Amino acid sequence: AQTVTQSQPEMSVQEAETVTLSCTYDTSENNYYLFWYKQPPSRQMILVIRQEAYKQQNATENRFSVNFQKAAKSFSLKISDSQLGDTAMYFCAFTAADSNYQLIWGAGTKLIIKP
Amino acid sequence: NAGVMQNPRHLVRRRGQEARLRCSPVKGHSHVYWYRQLPEEGLKFMVYLQKENIIDESGMPKERFSAEFPKEGPSILRIQQVVRGDSAAYFCASSPQQAKKETQYFGPGTRLLVL
Repeated sequence: AQTVTQSQPEMSVQEAETVTLSCTYDTSENNYYLFWYKQPPSRQMILVIRQEAYKQQNATENRFSVNFQKAAKSFSLKISDSQLGDTAMYFCAFTAADSNYQLIWGAGTKLIIKP
Repeated sequence: NAGVMQNPRHLVRRRGQEARLRCSPVKGHSHVYWYRQLPEEGLKFMVYLQKENIIDESGMPKERFSAEFPKEGPSILRIQQVVRGDSAAYFCASSPQQAKKETQYFGPGTRLLVL
């Protein structure tokens, strides 16, 4: 069974700093996808970034980038030049075709950006 | 382009009543997933449906819970005889049938409170 682990329950950084959120996963699949979702206080679940396991190049979306280490089964999220609006819960999630693409979720990391 | 719509956004029920949660997927999406989020936790998969078919209901309790996605109209998650432990946020997500079918887009959720 696949599992996703986020070992940092809470993090806080000053505005404009860079922060890295950790995520590890366990799977025997070779073809899978990884995601970071953001859940702000509004509780809406917002897709931040996605990574295909077969791609070696790390995904990037503006200030958000990932460090995907397939052998180590690690998928960290880096937020550069953090902004107050980045304050949210961040969830790492995994999916694969053999499980009908249902998402397996980590427990989340609460990120607080301080002014 | 409307995203995933869910209603109601908030629902209060007394123990023993029925709760009906509705989800309209992104236009053109034929895959619907339901997830439950308990307070301070990540999401847990409940059920995966395509039009008129339940594909995977392995995450849904066998009793009191049912889901449907009719040919016309929204997907419905139905909880009969609600108990306090059913209090949670219920999220619906949809994905396309072909390209990027592994990527799910979420609705704003329905917060169910059972008194």
